[in-house]
Amino acid sequence: DGGITQSPKYLFRKEGQNVTLSCEQNLNHDAMYWYRQDPGQGLRLIYYSQIVNDFQKGDIAEGYSVSREKKESFPLTVTSAQKNPTAFYLCASSIDRTGELFFGEGSRLTVL
Amino acid sequence: EDQVTQSPEALRLQEGESSSLNCSYTVSGLRGLFWYRQDPGKGPEFLFTLYSAGEEKEKERLKATLTKKESFLHITAPKPEDSATYLCAVSGAGNKLTFGGGTRVLVKP
Repeated sequence: DGGITQSPKYLFRKEGQNVTLSCEQNLNHDAMYWYRQDPGQGLRLIYYSQIVNDFQKGDIAEGYSVSREKKESFPLTVTSAQKNPTAFYLCASSIDRTGELFFGEGSRLTVL
Repeated sequence: EDQVTQSPEALRLQEGESSSLNCSYTVSGLRGLFWYRQDPGKGPEFLFTLYSAGEEKEKERLKATLTKKESFLHITAPKPEDSATYLCAVSGAGNKLTFGGGTRVLVKP
């Protein structure tokens, strides 16, 4: 079955550590996205990529980094510069840049 | 700047008690309004796209409608399995997707 796979589902990190969240899709979609979800708030866009080897900052890119070396993969690194990294992170993809997104199951990051 | 406000924040319904969720928006050049369903601890699941005022879409017990300033998601005779958070989002002239905070719906048997 086609879909988006995020890993790990749960991750704990000590302050000062970088962590990388994995996102893989087999839908053959060109566009991929990373969102952050905090309780009571709407999804906020961190980074997006429309094609391989190209990506753009979203609304809250500070403290995060991404790469897009393969069409299927769009990993997100949460760096130690991110001041408040505890959140639920969602990866998504779309055929083109429409609002019809396919989401993964999410990764919950907790900083201890 | 595009804005999306959803109300109420939470809604408790008895099974079979129909109700509506509201999504108010301001956007420059609406390209589309989108509804998603999100179960606890899961990623959102796409439900509907609405493109212009007057448009309606239906899926099982859900019906989405659109005016120039707001959208409604009507839940007819809900069942406990309709319990979820419903998210609304708009895409404007900049082709950027802006999400609302969501409405948490709990349907009790």
